Amino acid sequence: DAGVTQSPTHLIKTRGQQVTLRCSPISGHKSVSWYQQVLGQGPQFIFQYYEKEERGRGNFPDRFSARQFPNYSSELNVNALLLGDSALYLCASSLKGYAEAFFGQGTRLTVV
Amino acid sequence: QKEVEQDPGPLSVPEGAIVSLNCTYSNSAFQYFMWYRQYSRKGPELLMYTYSSGNKEDGRFTAQVDKSSKYISLFIRDSQPSDSATYLCAMSKGGSEKLVFGKGTKLTVNP
Repeated sequence: DAGVTQSPTHLIKTRGQQVTLRCSPISGHKSVSWYQQVLGQGPQFIFQYYEKEERGRGNFPDRFSARQFPNYSSELNVNALLLGDSALYLCASSLKGYAEAFFGQGTRLTVV
Repeated sequence: QKEVEQDPGPLSVPEGAIVSLNCTYSNSAFQYFMWYRQYSRKGPELLMYTYSSGNKEDGRFTAQVDKSSKYISLFIRDSQPSDSATYLCAMSKGGSEKLVFGKGTKLTVNP
């Protein structure tokens, strides 16, 4: 079975631009969460979605938004990019939103 | 005080050594405890998943949770160079709650 897949794997954007990151969960998993990991730190929670509804939001500005589609895939959008948004963005899927979460390979975003 | 504290290391050991990795936490509401392994520039890989207190063993890996001390450990026996990675502890208050991670400990196993 395929694991969590994320696209693209790498991305370079300019300050002020907008970016969309995509995630497909493990088959049968209905919960998707997004995390941001900056170099040398552990992942920080951004959003959780379960059955297409937002279940939780971390301490991130409104420039960050997300949604989950009927097939349980998800998108993370970041507007008005700042240099500080440069990070590895991780998507995790889990069964019913349980803590046993499985991560994708991540999208490495560089803002220049 | 951070919710989860983890010594970032780096930790360097010879091949075959027993490795002990630890995290402490401050929030007594945490009930689910995970250990992830992350290779450079890759996503975290789930190694161990434990609910509440006790021990769990899987091959060369043993996870321990001591809720009374708010302390969790991961032991790696007969460490291999392929175990060289960053190890992240993570915990959650409940099944559908967010994961809170430590900073990660960078481990190098030398041949």
